[in-house]
Amino acid sequence: AQSVSQHNHHVILSEAASLELGCNYSYGGTVNLFWYVQYPGQHLQLLLKYFSGDPLVKGIKGFEAEFIKSKFSFNLRKPSVQWSDTAEYFCAVNALGNQGGKLIFGQGTELSVKP
Amino acid sequence: GAGVSQSPSNKVTEKGKDVELRCDPISGHTALYWYRQSLGQGLEFLIYFQGNSAPDKSGLPSDRFSAERTGGSVSTLTIQRTQQEDSAVYLCASSLHYLTGQETQYFGPGTRLLVL
Repeated sequence: AQSVSQHNHHVILSEAASLELGCNYSYGGTVNLFWYVQYPGQHLQLLLKYFSGDPLVKGIKGFEAEFIKSKFSFNLRKPSVQWSDTAEYFCAVNALGNQGGKLIFGQGTELSVKP
Repeated sequence: GAGVSQSPSNKVTEKGKDVELRCDPISGHTALYWYRQSLGQGLEFLIYFQGNSAPDKSGLPSDRFSAERTGGSVSTLTIQRTQQEDSAVYLCASSLHYLTGQETQYFGPGTRLLVL
C-alpha cells in the first residue's frame, strides 16, 4: 500500500533558524507531491507542489522543497523561520496510477518557532 | 470569493445515533473529497466525487459510512450507528478538476465530531 512518512513529529526552533522537514513516500510510479500547512485555527492550505521539471520547487512564504526521485523524498526547507511559521505541516502524495486526485498524507509535523 | 464551507462546525452525539455532515464546495469545482483527521491516524482519505459519482470509495472505513453528492455541488457524509472511534475532524476539499491529480485541493474548516 502507498504510504507517506514524515519522520519529525514535533520540531522546535528559534526564529532565524533553518528548517528542514523530511518526507518519504513509498510508491514506485509517477507521483505528484504536495506540502500543505495548517496554521493554528485555520484551514489546511497549499504551500507548494511538484509535478515534473525542476525538482526544486518554490512555494509561498519562502518555503521550498526538493524532489529526489532516487530517495523517494520530498523534503521541505526554509532558510530562516519566523514565529508566524508555527503550524502543522503535511506532506501528501498523489499517485498517477489512481484515478482522480486522492491524496495520501503523512502524519504531519508540528513546528513551533520560539520568538 | 467563498471557500469550501462545512456544517456543522462541531457535533456531539451519542453512540448509536446517525449523523450527517455537509460540505459546500467552491462554486464550479467538479471534484470533491472527504478526509478524516484523527489522533494517531493523521489525515485519511475517505471518498471522492467526480460530479455526482464516486469512483473511489476505498477509504470509507465501514458500511456505516456513506456519502452522496447532488447537483454536482453539495455533498453529505452520513455515519450510521456512530461509534466512539468515529470521533474525529471530518474535512472536505474541492478542486477544479479531477483527472490529472495535479490540482490544488482547497480545504474547508472541518466538522469536529465527538461520539460519547
